[in-house]
Amino acid sequence: KAGVTQTPRYLIKTRGQQVTLSCSPISGHRSVSWYQQTPGQGLQFLFEYFSETQRNKGNFPGRFSGRQFSNSRSEMNVSTLELGDSALYLCASSLDGIGTDTQYFGPGTRLTVL
Amino acid sequence: QKEVEQNSGPLSVPEGAIASLNCTYSDRGSQSFFWYRQYSGKSPELIMSIYSNGDKEDGRFTAQLNKASQYVSLLIRDSQPSDSATYLCAPKRDSSYKLIFGSGTRLLVRP
Repeated sequence: KAGVTQTPRYLIKTRGQQVTLSCSPISGHRSVSWYQQTPGQGLQFLFEYFSETQRNKGNFPGRFSGRQFSNSRSEMNVSTLELGDSALYLCASSLDGIGTDTQYFGPGTRLTVL
Repeated sequence: QKEVEQNSGPLSVPEGAIASLNCTYSDRGSQSFFWYRQYSGKSPELIMSIYSNGDKEDGRFTAQLNKASQYVSLLIRDSQPSDSATYLCAPKRDSSYKLIFGSGTRLLVRP
């Protein structure tokens, strides 16, 4: 079974621009979560989607948004980029996200904001 | 107090030794516990999960959980240089959709 895929793998943007990252979950998985990883803050939860609905959101500004499509693929968008948004953005998929369900991570998108 | 505490390390052990990685958590409602391994520049990969008090073994890995003490650990037997990585502990409530990660413990296995 193919794993979680994320595109693009690397991205360089300048301050003020916006960016869209894409995630395709493991086949059959309907829950997609997004995390931001930085050296200073570690891995932090951004949001989770299931059946095109955001069920949970982390403590990030409104510049960070996401959506999920009917095929469970998900995108996240960051508008008005700031230098501090430079990070590894990780997508994780699971069957339904509840209980003991395990999350499997994609390779990540490394975003650099100049 | 951080929600999940791990010693940042590095924890240095010789090849063939047992590496012991510890994690404490503050949310008593946590019911599932996950250990992920992350190599430098890569994404986290699942090592083990544990849900009940006691030990759970999988090959060279043993996870230990003590909910009363809010403590979970990962033992790696016969450590290999390829085990050198950062190990992340992540508790989760059954009612929650998110993992809360510790900052991770960096493990170095010396040949």
